[in-house]
Amino acid sequence: DAKTTQPNSMESNEEEPVHLPCNHSTISGTDYIHWYRQLPSQGPEYVIHGLTSNVNNRMASLAIAEDRKSSTLILHRATLRDAAVYYCILSRVGGSQGNLIFGKGTKLSVKP
Amino acid sequence: GAGVSQSPSNKVTEKGKDVELRCDPISGHTALYWYRQRLGQGLEFLIYFQGNSAPDKSGLPSDRFSAERTGESVSTLTIQRTQQEDSAVYLCASSQGVHRPAGYTFGSGTRLTVV
Repeated sequence: DAKTTQPNSMESNEEEPVHLPCNHSTISGTDYIHWYRQLPSQGPEYVIHGLTSNVNNRMASLAIAEDRKSSTLILHRATLRDAAVYYCILSRVGGSQGNLIFGKGTKLSVKP
Repeated sequence: GAGVSQSPSNKVTEKGKDVELRCDPISGHTALYWYRQRLGQGLEFLIYFQGNSAPDKSGLPSDRFSAERTGESVSTLTIQRTQQEDSAVYLCASSQGVHRPAGYTFGSGTRLTVV
């Protein structure tokens, strides 16, 4: 699977929007973009995924660049509970590898 | 059940003993995954099951590690002759299918401490 690059850490203020970037310059046409987050002392939690079009759900929005070589997870109003490690992962439908590979992610800190 | 259930939640064992970790996936989820997370580290993939078969065992760290799944449901991860470096949180996840972009649901993990 293609690799992703994320900043090690980011800071945000409570109730402000947060834009978490992810670069995936070697993405292929059949790679989906997934975002998970891991709150302290918990297992990872699915956030959102997309292929080409921007996606919205109750947790976040996913903005995908037109060339698909980068994407941004948008938290519209950060809360203290959003402090977590955020993982951007690519997976290939029908690929030989059946599992998601988690990188180091971005540790998001939210200040009150 | 409503979520992925793992047991025990905590396990302390003596070096050299065998341990069994259990995972109950979401009903109907055909794919099941095991990951390991050492303290302060990222997730390390161990093995996945599609149904009862495990097509990819390359992530298992050594031959002391084995896993099985029966009835397309419960899975057990067995670690024989535990070593201190096996201390970690072992996470299980399930999904509706392997080769689909379906979301994974993770359990809360089993924290294994080898003393």
